Amino acid sequence: ETGVTQTPRHLVMGMTNKKSLKCEQHLGHNAMYWYKQSAKKPLELMFVYSLEERVENNSVPSRFSPECPNSSHLFLHLHTLQPEDSALYLCASSQEGGTYEQYFGPGTRLTVT
Amino acid sequence: AQKVTQAQTEISVVEKEDVTLDCVYETRDTTYYLFWYKQPPSGELVFLIRRNSFDEQNEISGRYSWNFQKSTSSFNFTITASQVVDSAVYFCALSEGGTYKYIFGTGTRLKVLA
Repeated sequence: ETGVTQTPRHLVMGMTNKKSLKCEQHLGHNAMYWYKQSAKKPLELMFVYSLEERVENNSVPSRFSPECPNSSHLFLHLHTLQPEDSALYLCASSQEGGTYEQYFGPGTRLTVT
Repeated sequence: AQKVTQAQTEISVVEKEDVTLDCVYETRDTTYYLFWYKQPPSGELVFLIRRNSFDEQNEISGRYSWNFQKSTSSFNFTITASQVVDSAVYFCALSEGGTYKYIFGTGTRLKVLA
């Protein structure tokens, strides 16, 4: 079974819609991450959760709202997005913050129209 | 401040050639970790290697090898006898122990031509 799964894989939404991205990890890790990957930009760390507590929030606009109900699941709730939010959103997990490698999901390709 | 620089934006090689991807990092910490990831066209980043700042031994895994040099703050990645399946974007990343911040370089796109 794939270690980190993400749904949906592709999402097209209008600026007034509300949608959610889902991530699930099957690796027994205790840290989960959301990244944004835009063309020709470095990966941008958006949010980090460790044991269901948010530990990093890198000045992300409030139209992105994370949720971590347990150590295996991570959501990213989206509302009133802008076209510049179109990107690949990657979820990752790791055993501990900073020390260990991250395992990534396949990403959700988001297009905001 | 932490920083990872991958100066090579794109490299094209012909199959069976050797290729080296460069990674230069900056950090003030004495304890840190370095990583390489591969991102094929499917989009998922695949972990390749992790190195801690106290272990400067070079590592070889099949056709892949890594050269870690603290004196030049570099962690370069060499693919020997490249294959078309090696075509991907490769990312170098840095983290400092005890934090949750992983700093990624901008990636190097490798194209291996048949």
